[in-house]
Order: sequence, then structure tokens, then C-alpha cells
Amino acid sequence: GNSVTQMEGPVTLSEEAFLTINCTYTATGYPSLFWYVQYPGEGLQLLLKATKADDKGSNKGFEATYRKETTSFHLEKGSVQVSDSAVYFCALRANAGGTSYGKLTFGQGTILTVHP
Amino acid sequence: NAGVTQTPKFQVLKTGQSMTLQCAQDMNHNSMYWYRQDPGMGLRLIYYSASEGTTDKGEVPNGYNVSRLNKREFSLRLESAAPSQTSVYFCASISPGRVYEQYFGPGTRLTVT
Repeated sequence: GNSVTQMEGPVTLSEEAFLTINCTYTATGYPSLFWYVQYPGEGLQLLLKATKADDKGSNKGFEATYRKETTSFHLEKGSVQVSDSAVYFCALRANAGGTSYGKLTFGQGTILTVHP
Repeated sequence: NAGVTQTPKFQVLKTGQSMTLQCAQDMNHNSMYWYRQDPGMGLRLIYYSASEGTTDKGEVPNGYNVSRLNKREFSLRLESAAPSQTSVYFCASISPGRVYEQYFGPGTRLTVT
């Protein structure tokens, strides 16, 4: 079956530090890949996505590249801010038809805390 | 648009009690989902509804039932709550024109004692 593995957290950084959160996946075929962010007390929001190999998703200074050869989709940001403190989830959606079309498989989440 | 709304925000139940978690979306989405979020386990799919009138089991359906009341509403029922069902529950929906993005509600934090 499909699965997503994220690096263990929590991750604690100082403001303006470089961020990497690793994500690897197992899936048949060519899934779409996502990063979702959950701010304290809120639901999940889509941060960025990539739908095919070598695509780079980007948003709010965050980037992730779909690497099929290493089955990875690592999240990076060059300079984090205190407001980036949140839980980050890597997820995949199998590109199959029928009723499974919208279902997401999530990683376990990585807590990021950024200090001033 | 309110997006995806969930009620209640918090609930405490005793073992064996029943309750229904409500979810509604005002975005005219066809597909809706119920997830539970547990520490260190990410989100796991409980049930989903690809369209009005259809429901299907997800990864962890045991102990739950769902009803797709109409296109807007998708409820999750716990008939006899157990401590293992203590979790945060999220409802989500997906746009037919933007199938790459799920829109999540704010969540219901449920504690079963």
C-alpha cells in the first residue's frame, strides 16, 4: 500500500535559519505529492504541491521538488520566521481513478518551532 | 464562504456514550472526508463520500458510522464511544475543479473517559 515517512521531530530553529524537513514515500504508479501546514488550533492548509516527477512546488518561501528516483519530496525554506512555527505534513494522493481519487495518505507530521 | 465548518469544537464523553460530529461545506464540493489525528500518526482516513448518496470505508472505520445527508453535510457517528477514540477529528472536502487540494475544517477535539 501507499505510505509516507517524515523525519522525526520536533525541529527547533532560530529565526533566519535554513529549514529542511525530509519526506519519502512508497506508492505504485505516479502519485501527486503535497505539503500541508497546521497552525496551532487550526485545520490543515495546503502549502504546496507537485503532480509529476521533477516538478517543484513553492509557496510562501517554501519549496519542495518531486524526486522520483529517490521517492522523496523534501520541504525547504531558506530563512524561517517565528510565524512558520506549525506542524508540517507530507502527503500523497494516488493518481488512480474511481472513488479513491481524492484520498490522501499522510506522514506523521513534523513539529517546527522557530525562536526569535 | 465559511468553507468547511465542524461542530462541536470540543467534546468529552464517557465510555459507552454516543454522539454525532457534524460537518458542512458551502463550496458545492462533491467529495467529503473524515480523518482522525493522533500524535505521531498523522491523519488517518475513517470514511469518505465521493458524492452525495455514497459512502466508503477508509483506513480506520471500526467503531464509526457516517451519513451523507445531502451535498453539504457529512456527519460522523460514534455509537458507543471508547477511550481509543480519543482524538482530534477533521472533516475535509475537495473541489471537482481543484482535485489536488483538500479543504479542512478546524477540527473537533474529542476525549473519551
